[in-house]
Amino acid sequence: GNSVTQMEGPVTLSEEAFLTINCTYTATGYPSLFWYVQYPGEGLQLLLKATKADDKGSNKGFEATYRKETTSFHLEKGSVQVSDSAVYFCALTHMDTGRRALTFGSGTRLQVQP
Amino acid sequence: EAQVTQNPRYLITVTGKKLTVTCSQNMNHEYMSWYRQDPGLGLRQIYYSMNVEVTDKGDVPEGYKVSRKEKRNFPLILESPSPNQTSLYFCASSRITDTQYFGPGTRLTVL
Repeated sequence: GNSVTQMEGPVTLSEEAFLTINCTYTATGYPSLFWYVQYPGEGLQLLLKATKADDKGSNKGFEATYRKETTSFHLEKGSVQVSDSAVYFCALTHMDTGRRALTFGSGTRLQVQP
Repeated sequence: EAQVTQNPRYLITVTGKKLTVTCSQNMNHEYMSWYRQDPGLGLRQIYYSMNVEVTDKGDVPEGYKVSRKEKRNFPLILESPSPNQTSLYFCASSRITDTQYFGPGTRLTVL
C-alpha cells in the first residue's frame, strides 16, 4: 500500500534560517504529492502540491520538487519566520481513483525562535 | 466565503451515547471525506463519498457511519462511542479531480 515517511520533529530553528523537512513516499504509479500545514488550534491548509514528476510546487516562500527517482518531496524555505511555526504534513493521493484517500505522514512540528 | 464547516468544534461525551458530527461545504463539491488525526499516526481516512447517496469505507471505518442525503452535508455518526474514538476529526471536500480542502476540526473526547 501507500505510505509517507517524514523526518521526526520537532525542528527548532532561528528566524531567517534555512528550512528543509524531508519527505519520502512509497506508492504505485504516479501519485500527486502535497504539503499541508496546521497552525496551532486550526485545521489543515494546503501549502503546495505537485502532480507529476519534476514538478515544483511553491507558495509563501516554500518549495518542494516531485522527485520520482528518489521518491521524495522535500519541503524547503530559504528564510523562516516565527509565523511559520506549525506542524507540516506531507501527503499523497492518486487523483484518478475513486477513493482518493490522502495518505499522510505523521507530521513534523516546526518551531521558529526570534 | 468558500469553506468547510464542522460542528461541534469540541465535544466531551460518555461511552455508548450516540453522537453526530456535522460537516457542510458551500462549494458544490462532489467529493467529501472524513479523517481522524491521532498523535504519531498522521491522518487516516474513515469514510468518503463521491456524490449524493454514494459512500464507501476508508482505512478505519469501524465504529462509524455516514450519510450523504444532500450534496453539501456529510455527517459522521458514532452509534456507540468508545474511548478509542477519542481523536481529532477532520472533514474534507473537493471537486472530483481537485485538491481536498479541510474543515477546522472537531476534537472529541469519549470518557
